[in-house]
Amino acid sequence: NFMLTQPHSVSESPGKTVTISCTRSSGNVASNYVQWYQQRPGSSPSTVIYEDNQRPSGVPDRFSGSIDSSSNSASLTISGLKTEDEADYYCQSYTNNIGVFGGGTKLTVL
Amino acid sequence: EVQLVESGGGLVHPGGSLRLSCTPSGFRVDDYAMHWVRQAPGKGLEWVSGTNWNRDSTGYADSVRGRFTISRDNDKNSLYLQMNSLRPADTAFYYCARARGRWLQPIQFDYWGRGTLVTVSS
Repeated sequence: NFMLTQPHSVSESPGKTVTISCTRSSGNVASNYVQWYQQRPGSSPSTVIYEDNQRPSGVPDRFSGSIDSSSNSASLTISGLKTEDEADYYCQSYTNNIGVFGGGTKLTVL
Repeated sequence: EVQLVESGGGLVHPGGSLRLSCTPSGFRVDDYAMHWVRQAPGKGLEWVSGTNWNRDSTGYADSVRGRFTISRDNDKNSLYLQMNSLRPADTAFYYCARARGRWLQPIQFDYWGRGTLVTVSS
């Protein structure tokens, strides 16, 4: 199985843009969809991106996802940062009927 | 409205067993693939197990394979996780999560429960 590596933490100011990376250790990142989940303190996770770049209804278009085969990584970009975006973000993929999560990135909006 | 409610968590001694339940409202468990995901206190998410809509395909994380069993009862519209030979490392919040489709893959979740806490300690 592969691993997904995320930065432990990122911080940015309100109104700015931040990108969180998720690097797959082996196998092609484009072979299996990547999802992104937001988890605020004390809450269950919720989906912000699925199938690499799709936004569920209700998720603002400030959230976008992409994959880059050259770096074998996925990225979550949040533009026009708001204080309410402060949360933990997890990437997730799968292979051979096994799910894999990244370690999570704590986003601080200061 | 779709909701998922987990139950069955609690304190158990190492080597003991526990069965978690997940009862959804707003949909039927036999229309979707379903999963269990856990989160140790203060730690990240870990996928535990999943099953597709007709139970003919299941998956388990290496850390629980051979000890945990996922199942569902369509008549009771419920999902279960039977956990045996529990270890302190299994201490976590256990979330029930609905997949976006019927099949085990792609593994992706659209609705999550609030979780139930399992504590394994002597």
